[in-house]
Amino acid sequence: QVQLVQSGAEVKKPGSSVKVSCKASGGTFSTYAINWVRQAPGQGLEWMGGIIPIFRTANYAQKFQGRVTITADESTSTAYMELRSLRSEDSAVYYCARASVESTVVTPLDYWGQGTLVTVSS
Amino acid sequence: DIVMTQSPDSLAVSLGERATINCKSSQSVFYSSNNRNYLTWYQQKPGQPPKVLIYWASTREFGVPDRFSGSGSGTDFTLTISSLQAEDVAVYYCQQYYSIPLTFGQGTKVEIK
Repeated sequence: QVQLVQSGAEVKKPGSSVKVSCKASGGTFSTYAINWVRQAPGQGLEWMGGIIPIFRTANYAQKFQGRVTITADESTSTAYMELRSLRSEDSAVYYCARASVESTVVTPLDYWGQGTLVTVSS
Repeated sequence: DIVMTQSPDSLAVSLGERATINCKSSQSVFYSSNNRNYLTWYQQKPGQPPKVLIYWASTREFGVPDRFSGSGSGTDFTLTISSLQAEDVAVYYCQQYYSIPLTFGQGTKVEIK
Protein backbone atom coordinates (compact mmCIF):
# COMPACT_ATOMS: atom_id res chain seq x y z
CA GLN A 1 0.00 0.00 0.00
CA VAL A 2 1.41 3.37 -1.03
CA GLN A 3 1.82 5.90 1.76
CA LEU A 4 2.87 9.53 1.51
CA VAL A 5 4.02 11.15 4.74
CA GLN A 6 4.56 14.90 4.78
CA SER A 7 6.61 17.12 7.05
CA GLY A 8 5.01 19.05 9.86
CA ALA A 9 3.25 22.38 10.09
CA GLU A 10 5.23 25.56 9.47
CA VAL A 11 4.82 29.18 10.49
CA LYS A 12 6.67 31.61 8.25
CA LYS A 13 7.17 35.35 7.95
CA PRO A 14 6.12 37.18 4.79
CA GLY A 15 8.95 37.23 2.27
CA SER A 16 10.54 34.03 3.55
CA SER A 17 10.54 30.53 2.03
CA VAL A 18 9.13 27.17 3.04
CA LYS A 19 10.18 23.70 1.98
CA VAL A 20 7.75 20.83 2.51
CA SER A 21 8.77 17.19 2.16
CA CYS A 22 6.76 14.15 1.11
CA LYS A 23 8.22 10.71 1.79
CA ALA A 24 6.77 7.81 -0.18
CA SER A 25 6.71 4.17 0.84
CA GLY A 26 5.08 0.98 -0.29
CA GLY A 27 5.31 1.41 -4.02
CA THR A 28 7.44 2.45 -6.96
CA PHE A 29 8.69 5.99 -6.50
CA SER A 30 10.73 6.85 -9.57
CA THR A 31 8.16 6.47 -12.33
CA TYR A 32 5.02 7.94 -10.75
CA ALA A 33 4.59 11.70 -10.71
CA ILE A 34 4.34 13.44 -7.37
CA ASN A 35 2.12 16.49 -7.59
CA TRP A 36 1.61 19.34 -5.15
CA VAL A 37 -1.88 20.68 -4.53
CA ARG A 38 -2.76 23.40 -2.06
CA GLN A 39 -5.97 24.32 -0.31
CA ALA A 40 -6.47 27.68 1.39
CA PRO A 41 -8.74 27.68 4.46
CA GLY A 42 -12.31 26.94 3.42
CA GLN A 43 -11.34 27.03 -0.24
CA GLY A 44 -10.92 24.61 -3.14
CA LEU A 45 -7.99 22.67 -4.55
CA GLU A 46 -5.22 24.29 -6.59
CA TRP A 47 -2.57 22.35 -8.52
CA MET A 48 0.89 23.85 -8.19
CA GLY A 49 3.00 21.44 -10.18
CA GLY A 50 4.37 17.94 -10.43
CA ILE A 51 7.50 15.93 -11.07
CA ILE A 52 8.26 12.44 -12.32
CA PRO A 53 11.33 11.59 -10.24
CA ILE A 54 13.14 9.56 -12.87
CA PHE A 55 12.84 12.42 -15.39
CA ARG A 56 13.81 15.10 -12.83
CA THR A 57 11.99 17.85 -14.72
CA ALA A 58 9.01 19.48 -13.06
CA ASN A 59 5.92 21.05 -14.59
CA TYR A 60 4.49 24.11 -12.85
CA ALA A 61 1.27 26.05 -12.94
CA GLN A 62 1.87 29.43 -14.55
CA LYS A 63 0.68 31.15 -11.37
CA PHE A 64 3.63 29.76 -9.39
CA GLN A 65 6.34 29.89 -12.07
CA GLY A 66 9.48 31.44 -10.67
CA ARG A 67 8.34 31.13 -7.08
CA VAL A 68 8.09 27.37 -6.62
CA THR A 69 10.59 24.55 -7.07
CA ILE A 70 9.60 20.88 -6.96
CA THR A 71 12.33 18.28 -6.64
CA ALA A 72 12.60 14.60 -5.91
CA ASP A 73 15.30 12.45 -4.34
CA GLU A 74 15.09 8.90 -5.63
CA SER A 75 17.58 7.63 -3.03
CA THR A 76 15.18 8.50 -0.20
CA SER A 77 11.87 8.32 -2.11
CA THR A 78 11.16 11.86 -1.02
CA ALA A 79 9.72 14.76 -2.97
CA TYR A 80 10.04 18.40 -1.98
CA MET A 81 8.15 21.58 -2.70
CA GLU A 82 9.82 24.91 -1.96
CA LEU A 83 7.76 28.10 -2.17
CA ARG A 84 9.56 31.43 -1.96
CA SER A 85 8.59 35.05 -1.32
CA LEU A 86 5.74 33.95 0.87
CA ARG A 87 2.74 36.21 1.38
CA SER A 88 -0.31 35.86 3.58
CA GLU A 89 -2.33 34.47 0.66
CA ASP A 90 0.00 31.44 0.64
CA SER A 91 -1.38 30.30 3.98
CA ALA A 92 -2.89 26.93 3.14
CA VAL A 93 -2.69 23.20 3.55
CA TYR A 94 -0.20 21.81 1.06
CA TYR A 95 -0.73 18.25 -0.15
CA CYS A 96 1.49 15.96 -2.12
CA ALA A 97 -0.40 13.48 -4.26
CA ARG A 98 0.75 10.65 -6.49
CA ALA A 99 -0.33 10.12 -10.07
CA SER A 100 -2.27 6.93 -10.71
CA VAL A 101 -0.51 6.16 -13.99
CA GLU A 102 3.23 5.86 -14.56
CA SER A 103 5.33 8.32 -16.53
CA THR A 104 2.81 11.15 -16.81
CA VAL A 105 1.65 14.09 -14.73
CA VAL A 106 -1.79 14.21 -16.32
CA THR A 107 -3.65 11.54 -14.38
CA PRO A 108 -6.03 11.31 -11.43
CA LEU A 109 -4.28 11.59 -8.09
CA ASP A 110 -4.88 8.38 -6.20
CA TYR A 111 -2.65 8.61 -3.13
CA TRP A 112 -2.41 11.74 -1.01
CA GLY A 113 -0.27 12.85 1.87
CA GLN A 114 -1.88 14.00 5.10
CA GLY A 115 -1.30 17.65 4.27
CA THR A 116 1.04 20.27 5.74
CA LEU A 117 -0.38 23.49 7.12
CA VAL A 118 1.72 26.49 6.21
CA THR A 119 0.82 29.72 7.96
CA VAL A 120 2.32 32.98 6.73
CA SER A 121 2.06 35.70 9.30
CA SER A 122 4.09 38.62 10.53
CA ASP B 1 -6.00 26.65 -18.84
CA ILE B 2 -9.16 24.55 -18.75
CA VAL B 3 -11.65 26.10 -16.35
CA MET B 4 -13.87 23.68 -14.45
CA THR B 5 -17.18 25.01 -13.15
CA GLN B 6 -19.39 23.02 -10.80
CA SER B 7 -23.02 23.51 -9.93
CA PRO B 8 -24.52 23.94 -7.48
CA ASP B 9 -22.04 25.24 -4.90
CA SER B 10 -23.98 23.37 -2.24
CA LEU B 11 -26.99 21.15 -1.91
CA ALA B 12 -28.99 19.59 0.89
CA VAL B 13 -30.58 16.23 0.22
CA SER B 14 -32.66 13.97 2.43
CA LEU B 15 -31.23 10.62 3.44
CA GLY B 16 -32.00 8.03 0.78
CA GLU B 17 -32.65 10.63 -1.89
CA ARG B 18 -30.63 11.36 -5.02
CA ALA B 19 -27.91 13.98 -5.18
CA THR B 20 -26.71 15.32 -8.52
CA ILE B 21 -23.62 17.47 -9.08
CA ASN B 22 -22.71 19.00 -12.40
CA CYS B 23 -19.30 19.89 -13.79
CA LYS B 24 -18.63 21.83 -16.96
CA SER B 25 -15.23 22.29 -18.59
CA SER B 26 -14.31 25.33 -20.69
CA GLN B 27 -13.08 23.02 -23.44
CA SER B 28 -13.56 19.37 -24.26
CA VAL B 29 -11.63 16.85 -22.18
CA PHE B 30 -12.43 14.00 -24.57
CA TYR B 31 -9.67 12.31 -26.55
CA SER B 32 -11.09 10.69 -29.65
CA SER B 33 -7.92 8.63 -30.13
CA ASN B 34 -8.81 6.46 -27.13
CA ASN B 35 -12.47 7.41 -26.69
CA ARG B 36 -11.91 8.61 -23.15
CA ASN B 37 -12.91 11.62 -21.11
CA TYR B 38 -10.08 12.86 -18.88
CA LEU B 39 -12.27 13.71 -15.91
CA THR B 40 -12.19 12.51 -12.34
CA TRP B 41 -14.35 13.08 -9.27
CA TYR B 42 -13.06 13.37 -5.71
CA GLN B 43 -14.74 13.30 -2.33
CA GLN B 44 -13.22 15.31 0.50
CA LYS B 45 -14.35 15.03 4.09
CA PRO B 46 -13.36 17.61 6.74
CA GLY B 47 -9.75 17.33 7.82
CA GLN B 48 -8.95 14.71 5.18
CA PRO B 49 -7.29 14.79 1.78
CA PRO B 50 -9.44 14.16 -1.29
CA LYS B 51 -10.26 10.61 -2.34
CA VAL B 52 -10.82 9.45 -5.91
CA LEU B 53 -14.37 8.24 -6.55
CA ILE B 54 -14.58 8.16 -10.34
CA TYR B 55 -12.04 8.38 -13.18
CA TRP B 56 -12.40 8.42 -16.97
CA ALA B 57 -15.64 10.26 -16.14
CA SER B 58 -17.57 7.07 -15.37
CA THR B 59 -15.26 4.36 -14.00
CA ARG B 60 -15.76 3.79 -10.30
CA GLU B 61 -12.59 3.45 -8.23
CA PHE B 62 -12.15 0.08 -6.52
CA GLY B 63 -14.06 -0.01 -3.25
CA VAL B 64 -16.32 2.94 -3.98
CA PRO B 65 -19.99 2.11 -3.32
CA ASP B 66 -22.10 1.65 -6.42
CA ARG B 67 -24.48 4.41 -5.33
CA PHE B 68 -21.83 6.74 -6.80
CA SER B 69 -21.89 7.05 -10.58
CA GLY B 70 -20.40 9.40 -13.14
CA SER B 71 -21.65 10.30 -16.58
CA GLY B 72 -21.17 12.79 -19.36
CA SER B 73 -18.76 13.49 -22.18
CA GLY B 74 -16.91 16.33 -23.83
CA THR B 75 -17.57 19.35 -21.63
CA ASP B 76 -20.52 18.33 -19.45
CA PHE B 77 -20.33 15.82 -16.64
CA THR B 78 -22.44 14.64 -13.72
CA LEU B 79 -21.76 12.88 -10.44
CA THR B 80 -24.81 11.15 -9.02
CA ILE B 81 -25.27 9.72 -5.55
CA SER B 82 -28.32 7.54 -6.02
CA SER B 83 -29.31 7.19 -2.37
CA LEU B 84 -27.58 9.62 -0.04
CA GLN B 85 -26.12 8.15 3.14
CA ALA B 86 -24.95 10.06 6.20
CA GLU B 87 -21.32 9.20 5.43
CA ASP B 88 -21.60 10.93 2.04
CA VAL B 89 -21.61 14.38 3.64
CA ALA B 90 -18.53 15.94 2.06
CA VAL B 91 -17.30 18.34 -0.57
CA TYR B 92 -17.06 16.90 -4.08
CA TYR B 93 -14.62 18.13 -6.73
CA CYS B 94 -14.26 17.41 -10.42
CA GLN B 95 -10.80 17.62 -11.98
CA GLN B 96 -9.60 17.44 -15.54
CA TYR B 97 -6.40 15.63 -16.48
CA TYR B 98 -6.61 16.33 -20.19
CA SER B 99 -3.84 18.91 -20.01
CA ILE B 100 -1.47 20.76 -17.72
CA PRO B 101 -2.21 22.59 -15.52
CA LEU B 102 -4.48 20.09 -13.80
CA THR B 103 -7.54 22.06 -12.79
CA PHE B 104 -10.34 21.47 -10.31
CA GLY B 105 -13.89 22.66 -10.00
CA GLN B 106 -14.62 24.94 -7.07
CA GLY B 107 -16.31 22.15 -5.14
CA THR B 108 -19.88 21.24 -4.20
CA LYS B 109 -20.79 20.80 -0.57
CA VAL B 110 -23.33 18.04 0.07
CA GLU B 111 -25.31 18.11 3.30
CA ILE B 112 -28.25 16.27 4.81
CA LYS B 113 -31.59 18.02 4.65
